[in-house]
Amino acid sequence: DGGITQSPKYLFRKEGQNVTLSCEQNLNHDAMYWYRQDPGQGLRLIYYSQIVNDFQKGDIAEGYSVSREKKESFPLTVTSAQKNPTAFYLCASSIGQGERPQHFGDGTRLSIL
Amino acid sequence: GNSVTQMEGPVTLSEEAFLTINCTYTATGYPSLFWYVQYPGEGLQLLLKATKADDKGSNKGFEATYRKETTSFHLEKGSVQVSDSAVYFCALKDNTNAGKSTFGDGTTLTVKP
Repeated sequence: DGGITQSPKYLFRKEGQNVTLSCEQNLNHDAMYWYRQDPGQGLRLIYYSQIVNDFQKGDIAEGYSVSREKKESFPLTVTSAQKNPTAFYLCASSIGQGERPQHFGDGTRLSIL
Repeated sequence: GNSVTQMEGPVTLSEEAFLTINCTYTATGYPSLFWYVQYPGEGLQLLLKATKADDKGSNKGFEATYRKETTSFHLEKGSVQVSDSAVYFCALKDNTNAGKSTFGDGTTLTVKP
């Protein structure tokens, strides 16, 4: 079955460390997205990519970086510059730009030790 | 498990028409409810939210009321504009299950001048 796989499900980081969250899809979707969700809040867009080797900043890109070297992979790095990284991170994909359905991964919960 | 059902699209309206997009949910506990909008070529943006029963979320002329008795969160707008053309997603956030979000399939709205 096709879908989106995020790993790990839970991730702990020491202060000052960079960590990378994995997102892989086998849906052959062109567009991929990273969102952050804080308690009691909705999703906020971090980065998105409409095609391989191209990506754009979302609303809260500071302290994050991404790459899109392969169509099926869109890893997110949370850098030490991100001062409040504790959150739930959700990866999504869609067939094309702004098209539905938008498929979602199960998410990664990142916590600071 | 949790689920979100929203009306199938596409929905096509003329400018200044009244909009309703139905959304119903099933969930354990007391979830928070959200409406997101996705404009062409962009990621999801939070449109409005409600965190408890009888709360009304509102933004940009859109409204939705958290109805626990009918497990619904219908999106309404009194007078749509061409610029409202987008895909709308209803979602719930389970406040007990590590904050996992569940999304509806999305409803495409096209507003014609």
